[in-house]
Amino acid sequence: AQSVTQPDIHITVSEGASLELRCNYSYGATPYLFWYVQSPGQGLQLLLKYFSGDTLVQGIKGFEAEFKRSQSSFNLRKPSVHWSDAAEYFCAVGTSGGGADGLTFGKGTHLIIQP
Amino acid sequence: DAGVIQSPRHEVTEMGQEVTLRCKLISGHNSLFWYRQTMMRGLELLIYFNNNVPIDDSGMPEDRFSAKMPNASFSTLKIQPSEPRDSAVYFCASSLRGTGSGEQYFGPGTRLTVT
Repeated sequence: AQSVTQPDIHITVSEGASLELRCNYSYGATPYLFWYVQSPGQGLQLLLKYFSGDTLVQGIKGFEAEFKRSQSSFNLRKPSVHWSDAAEYFCAVGTSGGGADGLTFGKGTHLIIQP
Repeated sequence: DAGVIQSPRHEVTEMGQEVTLRCKLISGHNSLFWYRQTMMRGLELLIYFNNNVPIDDSGMPEDRFSAKMPNASFSTLKIQPSEPRDSAVYFCASSLRGTGSGEQYFGPGTRLTVT
């Protein structure tokens, strides 16, 4: 069975600083990987996804993520964070195209932005 | 275009009562997923449907939980009888399976409190 580990429960970053959120997955075949963001009291919004091809993927809101098969990682990055980026971030792995068979989520990383 | 619609947004009920959560898929989508989010366990897949057919219900906690898709655009998740440990946020998500992308789109969630 697949699994996702997000090692950082909380991360605090100053506004304007760069950000990297870590995600490690476990899956025996080629994974389908996703990052979602959840603002308080809201549902999950897809930031970006990786299926195949270029291992550096661009998403919405200025986020990007890099798939590294050798490290089983899919870390999320942003060069300069804004106060509105404060939220909960979830990494997820799917076992078929687009997560069509359901997604396995990490426990999430809570991002705090300092002024 | 309307996103995934869930109702009610909040539900408070007493232990032993029946609870029904509702979900309307995005028009044209053919896969439906029910997730539960708690502090302890994070986001867990409960059940999913493809073309109205339940595919995997291994995440349903126990027989008190049941889910149906009476038509292609609507689903219900029922808990009978409810217990305090069922308190959580319940999300449904929909996707379009078979197009190669098919990422999941989440509704705003139903916050269930069982007293």
